Amino acid sequence: RKEVEQDPGPFNVPEGATVAFNCTYSNSASQSFFWYRQDCRKEPKLLMSVYSSGNEDGRFTAQLNRASQYISLLIRDSKLSDSATYLCVVNEGGGGGFKTIFGAGTRLFVKA
Amino acid sequence: EPEVTQTPSHQVTQMGQEVILRCVPISNHLYFYWYRQILGQKVEFLVSFYNNEISEKSEIFDDQFSVERPDGSNFTLKIRSTKLEDSAMYFCASSLDVGYEQYFGPGTRLTVT
Repeated sequence: RKEVEQDPGPFNVPEGATVAFNCTYSNSASQSFFWYRQDCRKEPKLLMSVYSSGNEDGRFTAQLNRASQYISLLIRDSKLSDSATYLCVVNEGGGGGFKTIFGAGTRLFVKA
Repeated sequence: EPEVTQTPSHQVTQMGQEVILRCVPISNHLYFYWYRQILGQKVEFLVSFYNNEISEKSEIFDDQFSVERPDGSNFTLKIRSTKLEDSAMYFCASSLDVGYEQYFGPGTRLTVT
């Protein structure tokens, strides 16, 4: 089983649509969770951290379900500029030693 | 807004040569990281560094790789004898503390010929 698994997509949606991305992780001892976006040939950029209580930042909502080892990202009212690859990122470990695992990413295309 | 910087943006080298990739992390951050991304593949963790020593490393980070913080600002990745398969984008990142959000530099594209 892959450590961090995402649906590769691509997701093709019209502007204004709501789109949801899912991610599962295999290590139940994982400590912290994030969503990043990556544009073609650029560095990953932090989108948001993910907490068990859920968190929202404008049009973006992230959820974590530790029992199911599942993370989600919801984008409302999609914009053309949201077109990118969305990366699910998990930090494993503790006690000073952390390993950061990236999912392979979900590609999103938002069309006019 | 503080950012992570990396130099050079593109490095071309011949197989068997040594390369040093440079990074300046965000100044108040304590943890530093190197990642690589082969074209079309996912971002892969190489190593994390804290308090002047390696905190964690992946299976990819073998004896041909080393990291160093030679002064108070730079963080370097050295590849001793490059192979064709080392061709990739190398990203440096830093975080305030372990497990916190990581901020990435723009990357160095390494091409080994």
